Amino acid sequence: AQTVTQSQPEMSVQEAETVTLSCTYDTSENNYYLFWYKQPPSRQMILVIRQEAYKQQNATENRFSVNFQKAAKSFSLKISDSQLGDTAMYFCALRGSTLGRLYFGRGTQLTVWP
Amino acid sequence: KAGVTQTPRYLIKTRGQQVTLSCSPISGHRSVSWYQQTPGQGLQFLFEYFSETQRNKGNFPGRFSGRQFSNSRSEMNVSTLELGDSALYLCASSPGQGKETQYFGPGTRLLVL
Repeated sequence: AQTVTQSQPEMSVQEAETVTLSCTYDTSENNYYLFWYKQPPSRQMILVIRQEAYKQQNATENRFSVNFQKAAKSFSLKISDSQLGDTAMYFCALRGSTLGRLYFGRGTQLTVWP
Repeated sequence: KAGVTQTPRYLIKTRGQQVTLSCSPISGHRSVSWYQQTPGQGLQFLFEYFSETQRNKGNFPGRFSGRQFSNSRSEMNVSTLELGDSALYLCASSPGQGKETQYFGPGTRLLVL
């Protein structure tokens, strides 16, 4: 079975500050992929960043970076220089190598305030 | 490239009716997945299609069905609608064989009265 857990239902951060969202997962596969998606009020699901489990180097996309700890099955998202437009629901997701479906966490609602 | 498109964007139906939702993937993508999103259950996987074949199916009753056409466009159908089917239905596409990133459409909001 594959599961994804996000233990922070809500978080808030002041503009320009840094915030870290937590995610833990469980999988029996050796090769898998981890993702962070954001869903703003428009409800459009937008890819933020992805990480291949076989790569030790943490993925980075501009202000977004991850801390991938494979042994601990932890995959946290760090947002630097937070902007008002970062306000959204953030979902952590896991995808195995054999089947294409995504397993999602319950999400973390991030609010960035001025 | 144009993104994933879904039609209609909003839909209101009554209990007992049926509904068909459509999804057009990104050009060149051959895999389409469907998800249901509700406040209570979160994001739940419905099914995945690749080259007109259903590859994977989630734990939903038989009232939920889907298909994929030769141009990779996909439809999902829900028969005998129930109040609990009210949800945001999201479609995602990817190039093909399992490893790639899924890109989502804007969703169809279904309200069952």
